[in-house]
Amino acid sequence: EVQLVQSVAEVKKPGESLKISCKGSEYSFTSYWIGWVRQMPGNGLEWMGIIYPGDSDTRYSPSFQGQVTISADKSLSTAYLQWTSLKASDTAMYYCARAGQVRGVVAFDVWGQGTMVTVSS
Amino acid sequence: SYVLTQPPSVSVAPGQTARITCGGNNIGSKSVHWYQQKPGQAPVLVVYEDSDRPSGIPERFSGSNSGNTATLTISRVEAGDEADYYCHVWDNSNDHYVFGTGTKVSVL
Repeated sequence: EVQLVQSVAEVKKPGESLKISCKGSEYSFTSYWIGWVRQMPGNGLEWMGIIYPGDSDTRYSPSFQGQVTISADKSLSTAYLQWTSLKASDTAMYYCARAGQVRGVVAFDVWGQGTMVTVSS
Repeated sequence: SYVLTQPPSVSVAPGQTARITCGGNNIGSKSVHWYQQKPGQAPVLVVYEDSDRPSGIPERFSGSNSGNTATLTISRVEAGDEADYYCHVWDNSNDHYVFGTGTKVSVL
């Protein structure tokens, strides 16, 4: 079964750094784009960015460009989302999702279980 | 940037049909996907590329897309269909993905 397994929930203070992960299994991790999606409490889904683990080609939503960094380690079949200085407004559920072999028209067909990030002093 | 507009809520009686719209400029020229999200769970793909269903999704879920509106139709609605539903497209002109505002489906 194709799966994306995300790292556990995190509680951080403002100004701290954080890196969360998304590990793929039972498919060719390097051949599919992986997207990241934010869901703030009580709100809808927001696309943050996307990476192709095969060559680390990365695209960002303008809303998140410069705010986060998306990366991948193909040897570990793992994608990452990281912050250098968290803010309270980063409190949200973060999902990774598999986005197809060609960026664009293909759906996000497999989703991780989500990582809840809470930023509070 | 490209905007997808959905009604905030749709209410439907069990056994009836729910129709959830997703409005966007010339959305008929794009490939639309739909996700179901139940409380406390990750989204699940229910329709892709306008009208196709992933394996395991009941035939009661169907989609259409034309002009400025895409529609997800849930036939013979069941209590278990109560969830939030989101449409999703790739905005090729900006190379961005866009999600709709989301619709809460309530089963009366």
